[in-house]
Amino acid sequence: RKEVEQDPGPFNVPEGATVAFNCTYSNSASQSFFWYRQDCRKEPKLLMSVYSSGNEDGRFTAQLNRASQYISLLIRDSKLSDSATYLCVAKVHDSWGKFQFGAGTQVVVTP
Amino acid sequence: GAGVSQSPSNKVTEKGKDVELRCDPISGHTALYWYRQRLGQGLEFLIYFQGNSAPDKSGLPSDRFSAERTGESVSTLTIQRTQQEDSAVYLCASSRYRLGGETQYFGPGTRLLVL
Repeated sequence: RKEVEQDPGPFNVPEGATVAFNCTYSNSASQSFFWYRQDCRKEPKLLMSVYSSGNEDGRFTAQLNRASQYISLLIRDSKLSDSATYLCVAKVHDSWGKFQFGAGTQVVVTP
Repeated sequence: GAGVSQSPSNKVTEKGKDVELRCDPISGHTALYWYRQRLGQGLEFLIYFQGNSAPDKSGLPSDRFSAERTGESVSTLTIQRTQQEDSAVYLCASSRYRLGGETQYFGPGTRLLVL
């Protein structure tokens, strides 16, 4: 079983609509969580860190559910430029070591 | 400031040749990570450095792969006797531990094609 699992999608979203997707993690010791976006043939870029209380950055909202061991990402008012693969990442806090990456969720925003 | 840089950006080699990939992390970042990403696939962890030491080499696919880091800065990933299945993008990331956690920043990658 993979440590971080994501629905690969694609999620086809009309421009202006809202899309949300989750990722689950298996290591209950994980304490740091992130969402990265990766455009085709580009490196992953940090989108946001996910805090225990949930956090919002403009049109993007991330939530953490420790009881069910998942994190979510919601994108409001989708733009064409939001089309990308979104990578979920979990890490055991206070510990140097591996970041566990999910395989990514593809989002396609259509005109 | 300057981000993570990698060189070369693209490398085409013949099967059986050795290749060296270089990563220059963000200044002051003590941790450095190497990943491999095959076309259409997720990131595959290879190795990470804390300073110049590599506490976790668990992801190196075979003994043809090795990596080193010097001066708590530049790192080199070496692939000996390359095979066609080594064709992939090799990504480097660096991070610094701060109160509240550690965040990785990626370089643009080296696209390796083994013919």
